[in-house]
Amino acid sequence: SSELTQAPSVSVSPGQTASITCSGDILGNKNACWYQQKPGQSPVLVIYQDSKRPSGIPERFSGSNSGNTATLTISGTQAMDEADYYCQAWDTSIGVFGGGTKLTVL
Amino acid sequence: QVQLVQSGADVKKPGSSVKVSCKASGGTFSNYVIVWVRQAPGQGLEWMGRIIPVFGTANYAQKFQGRVTITTDESTSTAYMELSSLRSDDTAVYYCALRDDYAYYYYGVDVWGQGTTVTVSS
Repeated sequence: SSELTQAPSVSVSPGQTASITCSGDILGNKNACWYQQKPGQSPVLVIYQDSKRPSGIPERFSGSNSGNTATLTISGTQAMDEADYYCQAWDTSIGVFGGGTKLTVL
Repeated sequence: QVQLVQSGADVKKPGSSVKVSCKASGGTFSNYVIVWVRQAPGQGLEWMGRIIPVFGTANYAQKFQGRVTITTDESTSTAYMELSSLRSDDTAVYYCALRDDYAYYYYGVDVWGQGTTVTVSS
């Protein structure tokens, strides 16, 4: 089955740029999306179709997908961005999540 | 604006089944793609399956094949996820989520329910 791999944790200083990567063979020909999840809350879609932001998502969130790696970038990271981030792609009709990355802003 | 409301928390015995409901409001139910995702305590998100109500057929992650059934009732705009042969490691928060145009399922889901805690314990 398809797998997506994420680093378990990333740390960033406030105001700096955070990059969270997601790697997997299916990303070579499939779009990625990204979800943010804060403790005790349901996930929120922050990026779809590799690089597009849903309405209401701040411009500091951006995404890219090249080769077999998708990247979520948060520019000017704020304390409120501290959360778990999950990539997700579709293998035909079946969804696959990455293991998640805990972003710490310190 | 589309909203999802899930059924309340449940406690089940090992070997039994659980059925979680997910009621949608504010949109056109037949246009949706609905997915179910679970999250064990302290763990990541796990994709279970999806259904497109207008077609009626569901697709399931290999891990859950044979144990999960996803259905919909268009008359009440409600989706259901039933998981059978429950084990202790099925203890998790179960989420339903949707996108309101199934043609764009690959965009991901942008409306989530509040989650339903299912505890499996003897």
